[in-house]
Amino acid sequence: EVQLVETGGGLIQPGRSLRLSCAASGFSVNNNYMNWVRQAPGKGLEWISVFYSGGNTYYADSVKGRFTLSRDTSRNTVDLQMSSLRADDTAVYYCAKGAYGHGRSPLYAMDVWGQGTTVIVSS
Amino acid sequence: DTQMTQSPSSLSASVGDRVTITCRASQSINFYLSWYQQKPGRAPKLLIYAASNLQSGVPSRFSGSGSGTHFTLTINNLEPEDFATYYCQEGNSPPWTFGQGTKVEMK
Repeated sequence: EVQLVETGGGLIQPGRSLRLSCAASGFSVNNNYMNWVRQAPGKGLEWISVFYSGGNTYYADSVKGRFTLSRDTSRNTVDLQMSSLRADDTAVYYCAKGAYGHGRSPLYAMDVWGQGTTVIVSS
Repeated sequence: DTQMTQSPSSLSASVGDRVTITCRASQSINFYLSWYQQKPGRAPKLLIYAASNLQSGVPSRFSGSGSGTHFTLTINNLEPEDFATYYCQEGNSPPWTFGQGTKVEMK
């Protein structure tokens, strides 16, 4: 079964760092593009980053320079290192697998989602 | 960066109704437009990809259309389980963006 499980959320003080992990099962993160999406309380969805299978990474302007993606092939995880956290980073953070069409052409959509992990930035 | 304008932000409908939600992109995104359904406390669920393709397992009452900058999601014969919030998402080039969401409520 294809599944994603996020861990690492919690209560963290402003300015501190936190690392989220997304563990995949049923597929390899190495061969897929993996995304992080967040949702602040009562708000809409915000795409924040993607790790392409070839190794390129992209970030939303709101997190660029503060958040960093990494991939661990042995653990089959994609991690999100978050630094200089602010109150407006408070959200549920979802990991999502990129979707492919025929012939493994990327569709730039997200077809498998984790259950999310909650990050609360507060003093 | 591409901005996505989704409308309406909310609507009231009854079981059996036809519902249409619109997303407009600030620039052409070709057909890289997806639609998601989200229920409270749950992760989003992919409904439509590449503007008009139904994701496996999604009921055929859901359909998508459009290209370039104007896209629509239509739900025919609304069912009780369809009351939820719907989001469009562009994937033309990163950073990707979501629409603001449309909450479909029971009339």
